[in-house]
Amino acid sequence: DAKTTQPPSMDCAEGRAANLPCNHSTISGNEYVYWYRQIHSQGPQYIIHGLKNNETNEMASLIITEDRKSSTLILPHATLRDTAVYYCIVRGYYGNNRLAFGKGNQVVVIP
Amino acid sequence: DTAVSQTPKYLVTQMGNDKSIKCEQNLGHDTMYWYKQDSKKFLKIMFSYNNKELIINETVPNRFSPKSPDKAHLNLHINSLELGDSAVYFCASSLQSTGNYGYTFGSGTRLTVV
Repeated sequence: DAKTTQPPSMDCAEGRAANLPCNHSTISGNEYVYWYRQIHSQGPQYIIHGLKNNETNEMASLIITEDRKSSTLILPHATLRDTAVYYCIVRGYYGNNRLAFGKGNQVVVIP
Repeated sequence: DTAVSQTPKYLVTQMGNDKSIKCEQNLGHDTMYWYKQDSKKFLKIMFSYNNKELIINETVPNRFSPKSPDKAHLNLHINSLELGDSAVYFCASSLQSTGNYGYTFGSGTRLTVV
């Protein structure tokens, strides 16, 4: 059962910021928002995760709305190597909660 | 040093054969996982082990049997291979099974059953 909704695909211009949306309207209080990506033929790669505060690391920034029902992953300067399927995943803190992948968002960075 | 390594990378075999895929992680993580990615690119969890103990067992045919000799290794043995088993199998690990820890994935094993 998908807990998140993402657009199936989007294009981004190389060198520009890429804003990837995700809806998770049924998120509960102890659930984190995770972002992973899968570049063609490779294993999924962890990008970032957060609970309610905005987060930033060397790869991306994560903006979570105040009601936590949606979030945006921001790739500050998209490169061709950022072309991948991006997965937004909601995962609980407690229990053996697995990382459940949905269909993801196929992001293509265009030169 | 590869954090999560799987062998073999490619495996082509005939229907009815038995095969194994090996996975090792050098991250000191307690929990390991097997995922299957089918031709439609859906990634689904199959099994999870925490400190050699099975904690997640999704609806997977009995022909699939994971084995964890120690917490750094999680192997997947598949009996009587079928055409539908063709997929890419990914191994992953995380520090613990609970909490907000990310997963580290291996590069995958592409299994083709002919």
